[in-house]
Amino acid sequence: KQEVTQIPAALSVPEGENLVLNCSFTDSAIYNLQWFRQDPGKGLTSLLLIQSSQREQTSGRLNASLDKSSGRSTLYIAASQPGDSATYLCAAPKMNYGGSQGNLIFGKGTKLSVKP
Amino acid sequence: DAGVTQSPTHLIKTRGQQVTLRCSPISGHKSVSWYQQVLGQGPQFIFQYYEKEERGRGNFPDRFSARQFPNYSSELNVNALLLGDSALYLCASSFLTASGSYNEQFFGPGTRLTVL
Repeated sequence: KQEVTQIPAALSVPEGENLVLNCSFTDSAIYNLQWFRQDPGKGLTSLLLIQSSQREQTSGRLNASLDKSSGRSTLYIAASQPGDSATYLCAAPKMNYGGSQGNLIFGKGTKLSVKP
Repeated sequence: DAGVTQSPTHLIKTRGQQVTLRCSPISGHKSVSWYQQVLGQGPQFIFQYYEKEERGRGNFPDRFSARQFPNYSSELNVNALLLGDSALYLCASSFLTASGSYNEQFFGPGTRLTVL
C-alpha cells in the first residue's frame, strides 16, 4: 500500500532563503513522482515530474530529486520569494501487480510562507 | 492549448440532493481522474476512466458514480448528499505512454461543493 508523508507540515522563511521540502513514500516500485503547488482554494499546478530513471529534475529555481531506494524525494527552492507562498504537495502513483492504476497518492502538503 | 476545465466553479446544495460535476480534459488526453480534497488534506482518489472504461475506484461509497463520454469529457455524480461531501472536487487528465504507464497528471481549477 502506497503511503506518502511530507515534512514539515508548515514552514516560514524570510525572502531570499534557500529551502528544502521533504517527501517520503512507502512503495518504491514507482515509475515517477510528481510535485504540485496549490494556492488557497485553487486547483493543483504541476511543478515537476521525475521519472524513475532520473535522479533530478529542474525547472527555474526549483530542483526535485528522487531516491527510490530510500523512498524519498526532495523539492529544493532557491532564493525564495513571497510569490512562492503556497502549499506544496508531492504525489506518487498507486502501484499494483499490473503496474500503475493511474491514480496518485498525495501527502498532506507543506504550507510555505515566505516573508518579505 | 486549453488546460483541464471544470464546471461549475462553485455549488451549494442541501443534504439529500444530487449533484453533477463536469470535466473536460486537455486535448489528446484520454485518461480522466477525479479527486476529493477536504480542507487541510491532500486530494483523495475517487475514480479513473480511460477510453470510457472505469480503470480505478477509490474508497468511496456507491453514492459516487462517474462516466466518460466519447469526447473524453467526464461527469462525476454524487447522490444523497451528506454534509461530509463538502469539499473541493478536482479533475485531472493525462495520457498513457507507449510503455503503458500514465504520464504527468494535469489538474483543473476544481469545483467547490458546499452541502448545507
